[in-house]
Order: sequence, then structure tokens, then C-alpha cells
Amino acid sequence: EVHLLESGGGLVQTGTSLRLSCAASGFSFTNYAMTWVRQAPGKGLEWVSAISGSGGGTNYAEAVTGRFTISRDNSKNTLYLQMNSLRAEDTAVYYCAKGAPSSYYMDVWGKGTTVTVSS
Amino acid sequence: EIVMTQSPATLSVSPGDRVTLSCRASQSTSSNLAWYQQKPGQAPRLLVYGASARATGIPARFSGSGSGTEFTLTISSLQSEDFAVYYCQQYNNWPLTFGGGTKVEIK
Repeated sequence: EVHLLESGGGLVQTGTSLRLSCAASGFSFTNYAMTWVRQAPGKGLEWVSAISGSGGGTNYAEAVTGRFTISRDNSKNTLYLQMNSLRAEDTAVYYCAKGAPSSYYMDVWGKGTTVTVSS
Repeated sequence: EIVMTQSPATLSVSPGDRVTLSCRASQSTSSNLAWYQQKPGQAPRLLVYGASARATGIPARFSGSGSGTEFTLTISSLQSEDFAVYYCQQYNNWPLTFGGGTKVEIK
């Protein structure tokens, strides 16, 4: 069974950093793109970033470009999101999601980890 | 950036009703359109991809249609477990973008 488990969320102050992790199991991790999607309290879904299976290709939403870095360690079946210069508007539940074969819709989602940025 | 617009924002319906949700793209996304269902406190779940292909395990009462800029998700006979928020997402261009969602609530 495919399983994604996010961790690393918490309460942090404006301007600080946080690294999220997503442990994957049940599939050949290196063969699939992975994505981070966030959801602010009471709001809709917002795509944050995506990375190819090899890690050689990355894409970011404009709102996080230059502050967030997506990466993966295929030897550990783990996806990461390094978040720097955090702002109040980054407060959200962050979901890790598996990309579909050769595509960027998300066919399996983790339960999410909550990031709260407070001044 | 492709802007995805869903309508209506909220739909009040009764169990057994036929429900049609709309999603419009600001430019063509070909058939690179997915639909997700999200229930309170849960992660989203993939329903449809490629505009019309049902994901694994999704009941046949869910069907997607459309291409280009106009898409529809239809629930043929709404069940109690279908009350949720539904999102469309285009994956034709970067950045990936979601619609604002349609909440299907009990009338």
C-alpha cells in the first residue's frame, strides 16, 4: 500500500526557517515526481512545489520562489521542503503528494503537517 | 498562470440528486485536468484525471467530462458520503493551479 507521512511542522516565528519531511513507502519512490500542496486555514488548495523523480527538475509557485527549496533523497525514500524567511501567510497544512506516472496530478496524498508562523 | 474558476462556490442538494460541478480554465489545458474530493479534516482524494478517467476505487457515479477550457464533474446520484468540497486542478502548464473549490452541502 502506498503511504506518505509528513513531519516537521510546528509553530515558528516570522523570518525563521523550518524543514518538512515526507517519508514514502509502498512504491518505487525514484520513479515518481513528488509535490507539496498547502492549505491555509479555511481556504482552498494551493500548489507549492514539485520535483521530478530523479530530483533534477524542480518547480515552484511564485509565492515561495527564492524562499522554499524542494529536494529528495531517493536512497531514503524521503521528500523535503526547506522553508526559509517564513511569513504569516505561509501558515497552512502542508501536504505531500505523489505524482501520477509521467504526470503532475496527485494520485496519493499524505495526511499533512501543520505549519503556523507567528509574529 | 492559468486561473481555474469553479462554480458554484456552494451547492445545496439532497441525497439522490444529480449534481453537476463546473470548472473553467483561463486558457486551454487540453485534457490535463484532475478533480479531487476533500472532506473536513482529511487530505484530498483523487477522483478523476485526464478530464474523464476515474481514479482507482472511485465509484461509477462520479464522471468527468470536457476539454480545453470547460470541464464538468457529475455525480449521478449523490450519496451521504459525497458531501464534501471538490477541487479541479490543471497540470498542463507551470505553475500547477487549483480552482477555488465547490462545497456540496446538505439542503
